[in-house]
Amino acid sequence: ETGVTQSPTHLIKTRGQQVTLRCSSQSGHNTVSWYQQALGQGPQFIFQYYREEENGRGNFPPRFSGLQFPNYSSELNVNALELDDSALYLCASSSGPLGYEQYFGPGTRLTVT
Amino acid sequence: AQTVTQSQPEMSVQEAETVTLSCTYDTSESDYYLFWYKQPPSRQMILVIRQEAYKQQNATENRFSVNFQKAAKSFSLKISDSQLGDAAMYFCAYRGRNRDDKIIFGKGTRLHILP
Repeated sequence: ETGVTQSPTHLIKTRGQQVTLRCSSQSGHNTVSWYQQALGQGPQFIFQYYREEENGRGNFPPRFSGLQFPNYSSELNVNALELDDSALYLCASSSGPLGYEQYFGPGTRLTVT
Repeated sequence: AQTVTQSQPEMSVQEAETVTLSCTYDTSESDYYLFWYKQPPSRQMILVIRQEAYKQQNATENRFSVNFQKAAKSFSLKISDSQLGDAAMYFCAYRGRNRDDKIIFGKGTRLHILP
């Protein structure tokens, strides 16, 4: 059984640039959720994808967008990067949108300078 | 809106001793899930224990148990026989049972294990 993987591990971008983060869900899981974890804080829900459709969104501006592919892997795109976007971005997969047991990936550390 | 509060930013416990991490939450719902997640340094977040609000019995997973007080909206985590590997950030989290409900995390408690 393959766990949740994320790429890249670390990323440094300049303010105003765009970034794409990737997540491969655990085998058998069809739901992916994305979280932003600022330093010293708990994860904040960005959005969730279930069977290629957005299924719930947190309080994040439209420049945060996502995509889920037929194999249930997912991308998080952030446009017009701001300094406050610097954070650990976590992806979690589950079996269905009501699957309470979420399996987290190791995260992507994004630094915006 | 639902909120989750962890009032202890950091705690320390001697190895082999017992420690309790506190969590309170606010919701108007009657049925929901509560979780404790563990995030070791530079490692992936894992689910430690979960509680379904309609169940009165407190959940237990080996050395980890919870004290769920629904009326008080309190959900504390007790770690017995603390081990060095228990050192981590611990997050309390809430989620409603509706399909579009999101998981809400507290700010976390950093637990140090003293040898």
